[in-house]
Amino acid sequence: NAGVTQTPKFQVLKTGQSMTLQCAQDMNHEYMSWYRQDPGMGLRLIHYSVGAGITDQGEVPNGYNVSRSTTEDFPLRLLSAAPSQTSVYFCASRANMNTEAFFGQGTRLTVV
Amino acid sequence: AQKVTQAQTEISVVEKEDVTLDCVYETRDTTYYLFWYKQPPSGELVFLIRRNSFDEQNEISGRYSWNFQKSTSSFNFTITASQVVDSAVYFCALLSSNDYKLSFGAGTTVTVRA
Repeated sequence: NAGVTQTPKFQVLKTGQSMTLQCAQDMNHEYMSWYRQDPGMGLRLIHYSVGAGITDQGEVPNGYNVSRSTTEDFPLRLLSAAPSQTSVYFCASRANMNTEAFFGQGTRLTVV
Repeated sequence: AQKVTQAQTEISVVEKEDVTLDCVYETRDTTYYLFWYKQPPSGELVFLIRRNSFDEQNEISGRYSWNFQKSTSSFNFTITASQVVDSAVYFCALLSSNDYKLSFGAGTTVTVRA
């Protein structure tokens, strides 16, 4: 049982480049979300999904897109990378609305 | 709106000392859930505990204990007889029943020195 798997673990982008962070879970969880972690700010919600085909914005959605075509996968797309998007990104899933979230290993992204 | 405040930015102790981490939360909902997560230096986020707003019974699990007080909106976490392996960032988080968002505090960095 792999849990939540994120790829890649590290990535360096040039300003203006686009890329997709992958997230997959094998726990059949309905709820998935993406967070970014910045020093002194805890984790902030970027986008979330409550099931296949349903996504919505979190606190800091600008510059990011998501889709949820299957229960297992929830990719995060950076449309045009900016230095302000340098951060550690975490994908999380949970079984339903009120249960604990399980996190992937994180992706450390640097935009130069 | 919901908010989680962890006023302690960093705590440094010597091994075997007890460590208490403070967490104060704000929510308008009467049903909500509180969590503690641990982030060791390796970077992953590890779930520690979940408490429901309707269950104020405090809990002890090994060297960890939790003190949930609705009257003061606090959910404090204590590590008894700390060990070097307890060195990590600890996050308190809040989930309200009417909100999909899991809100995190800024985290408290705990350093346990040998």
